[in-house]
Amino acid sequence: SQTIHQWPATLVQPVGSPLSLECTVEGTSNPNLYWYRQAAGRGLQLLFYSVGIGQISSEVPQNLSASRPQDRQFILSSKKLLLSDSGFYLCAWSVLSPGLSGNTIYFGEGSWLTVV
Amino acid sequence: SQQGEEDPQALSIQEGENATMNCSYKTSINNLQWYRQNSGRGLVHLILIRSNEREKHSGRLRVTLDTSKKSSSLLITASRAADTASYFCATDLNQAGTALIFGKGTTLSVSS
Repeated sequence: SQTIHQWPATLVQPVGSPLSLECTVEGTSNPNLYWYRQAAGRGLQLLFYSVGIGQISSEVPQNLSASRPQDRQFILSSKKLLLSDSGFYLCAWSVLSPGLSGNTIYFGEGSWLTVV
Repeated sequence: SQQGEEDPQALSIQEGENATMNCSYKTSINNLQWYRQNSGRGLVHLILIRSNEREKHSGRLRVTLDTSKKSSSLLITASRAADTASYFCATDLNQAGTALIFGKGTTLSVSS
């Protein structure tokens, strides 16, 4: 069965510090990978998605970046955090089934980031 | 950008009552999905309805889709306290279906 691991679960970082959130998926190959962010009491915002190694699509321009160094590894980074980067970050994966079959996404347990 | 918008934003009911949540979207879709999120956790897929389907059932869940009105509804029958969660609709980001975009969600509170 497939599993997704995301870490760290919680972190408190000062403004201007770097960030690295990591996510790995097990039990499948060539998954689509995603980073979403959820601000307090709000919906999910798609940040990045990747359909293959080294292929990153950015949906929202900001001071975050993503990388996919291996097939089942997805990393979210920032060189200098802003207060507005605080939120709940969710990594997710799917196996693409376009069209009517749909693209069901499976989420990790999330990482709570507080920028102080 | 946000495709789906859920309504209401919050819903409070008693155990045993039915809960209905609505989702409106803007562009044509191949399918629409509903997800559930317990507080502080990741989202869990509930059900997918295809654009050529009008209604779908899964246990106590009933989803309808009206493509002419660009809307969907999620009905939870005989609600339980354990149904307390946020519920989101999701649609494809693009025709290739490479990602999903989610609405802001409906927060459901079921009291016993």
